[in-house]
Amino acid sequence: AQTVTQSQPEMSVQEAETVTLSCTYDTSESDYYLFWYKQPPSRQMILVIRQEAYKQQNATENRFSVNFQKAAKSFSLKISDSQLGDAAMYFCAYYNQGGKLIFGQGTELSVKP
Amino acid sequence: DTEVTQTPKHLVMGMTNKKSLKCEQHMGHRAMYWYKQKAKKPPELMFVYSYEKLSINESVPSRFSPECPNSSLLNLHLHALQPEDSALYLCASSQEGPGNKKRNTIYFGEGSWLTVV
Repeated sequence: AQTVTQSQPEMSVQEAETVTLSCTYDTSESDYYLFWYKQPPSRQMILVIRQEAYKQQNATENRFSVNFQKAAKSFSLKISDSQLGDAAMYFCAYYNQGGKLIFGQGTELSVKP
Repeated sequence: DTEVTQTPKHLVMGMTNKKSLKCEQHMGHRAMYWYKQKAKKPPELMFVYSYEKLSINESVPSRFSPECPNSSLLNLHLHALQPEDSALYLCASSQEGPGNKKRNTIYFGEGSWLTVV
């Protein structure tokens, strides 16, 4: 069975600075997809970024980028130029062959003005 | 703005009540999902419908009864719930169902807050 681990329950960043959220996973599959979701206080789960395992290139979406290290099974999220609206719970997730989205425990990010 | 719409946003019900949560998507997706989420925890999968057929049931108690009237609608019927069932219930959809990884990005609605008293 696959597992997803987020080792940082809480993180803090100064506005306009850069922060990196960590995620590691364990799987025996070779082809899979990884996601980062953001859940602000409103509780809607918002897709931030998606990475396909067979693609070497790291995914980017505006200020959000990932560092995908397949051999190390690591999938970290970098947020550049942090904004107050980035404050949220961030979940790393793995989509397995059975069609299930396996979530990590989440990292709560606070942004200081 | 989310393209997965859930109603009601908030629901308070007694343990003997019968109520329903509703979800609608207009993205032409063929898979729809119900998740349950407790505070400060990740969502837990409850049910998956693929092409209007139930494809995954995560051993959810029978007091939760899903229904998929068509590919755009998903309901969750609630009956005889317990206080511990109080949670945020998230509906989601994806272009294709389990097994199709290339069209599997899951999009969530805003959720329905359920309180059982």
